[in-house]
Order: sequence, then C-alpha cells, then structure tokens
Amino acid sequence: GAVVSQHPSRVICKSGTSVKIECRSLDFQATTMFWYRQFPKQSLMLMATSNEGSKATYEQGVEKDKFLINHASLTLSTLTVTSAHPEDSSFYICSAQVTSGGGVGDEQFFGPGTRLTVL
Amino acid sequence: QKEVEQDPGPLSVPEGAIVSLNCTYSNSAFQYFMWYRQYSRKGPELLMYTYSSGNKEDGRFTAQVDKSSKYISLFIRDSQPSDSATYLCAMIAGGYQKVTFGTGTKLQVIP
Repeated sequence: GAVVSQHPSRVICKSGTSVKIECRSLDFQATTMFWYRQFPKQSLMLMATSNEGSKATYEQGVEKDKFLINHASLTLSTLTVTSAHPEDSSFYICSAQVTSGGGVGDEQFFGPGTRLTVL
Repeated sequence: QKEVEQDPGPLSVPEGAIVSLNCTYSNSAFQYFMWYRQYSRKGPELLMYTYSSGNKEDGRFTAQVDKSSKYISLFIRDSQPSDSATYLCAMIAGGYQKVTFGTGTKLQVIP
C-alpha cells in the first residue's frame, strides 16, 4: 500500500518558537494532502486541505497565519506552527490522497503523526 | 450535537469474542463510510470502506451500514489481542473530500 511519512515523529519546543512538520508520500504522487489535529480522547479534526501549487484551504476556526502550510511538490507538504503556545500541543497527522479522477472517496493514506509538546 | 457520535469505550473483551463497534450520525449527506484502526501514537489505517446500505465483509471484519437509521457498525469475529487499538468511524458527504471522524472506541482484547 501507499506509504506516507512524517518528520519529526516527536518534537518538544519552547513557547514562542516555530516548528515545521514534514509530510511525504513515499511511493506515490499526491495532488491533495490534508492536515489533522488530534487531542487526547478526541477525534481527528481537519485543519486544512492542501493542493499542490495552490494555497491551502483552512477549516473554520483554524488560523492560517499561525499554521502555515506549503505544498510545493506532489510528494511533500509542510505544516509550520508559528509562535507555538502550550495549547498547540497535540498530535498532528497528515494524509495524502491518491487521486484517481473519481473525486469523492479517493482513499487517504495517513502518516504516523507528529507529537508536538510546547513547554 | 456532533455530526458523528461514537462511544469512546474502553471496551474489553476476551480473545475469540465477537466485537461490535457502532457509530451514529446526523448528517444525511454522508454517503461514504469508513472504519479506521489506530494503534497508540500512530496514524489511522483504513480497514473498511463502503458506500451503500448493507453488509460488507473482509476476512474477520464486517462493516454494516443502515442509512435509514443513520447507523453504522463494525463487527470483528474471533477477536485477537493484536486487534487491540482504537477504532474510528469516518464519513464523507457526497461531493466533498472532507472526512468527518468519530471520537474512536478503544478496544482491548484480553488473551
């Protein structure tokens, strides 16, 4: 099956610093990548949808200036948490979609997640 | 009211038991239904995918969808300790890419 990697798997940073998380599709090209956030005992919440070469579409309530998304190639998307604060501590998961042209229902393959802890 | 409701558990069963996991939803626009398995500190892994009412079977797993009741289920037969994980239901409305997840049910299969 398709493999999606994330780096780093875990990061601890000081409040006020910025953190970059990479999401790569290793053996396929993904025109669309998604970024989710998962708090303990809660469901995955979609933060933004990223299409290669265009600006990301953010979900309501997600600050686009705080969570910068860059999708520069068909195999790489990055999420930068700027001026991180303790409340940003969470599990960030990306997914990459293999687009068959069928649109809705194309499977999303999830990365292993990045655990962010902001002190 | 959440769009997707799922009992968080935890659910503990003995090895070999039949497990029933359920979700209800309120958005009648949901047309595609998935079940994901998520091991601790890992990303979700797709188990089953269906878009029609009825049953879909894959090995020890059976996904059931009842659109009239807005209710979906995942059954695991002959449960194994390796099935211990959190199971998330997920849905997509027709014409959209956005996946809406349930909170997940934590399952523990005891040897």
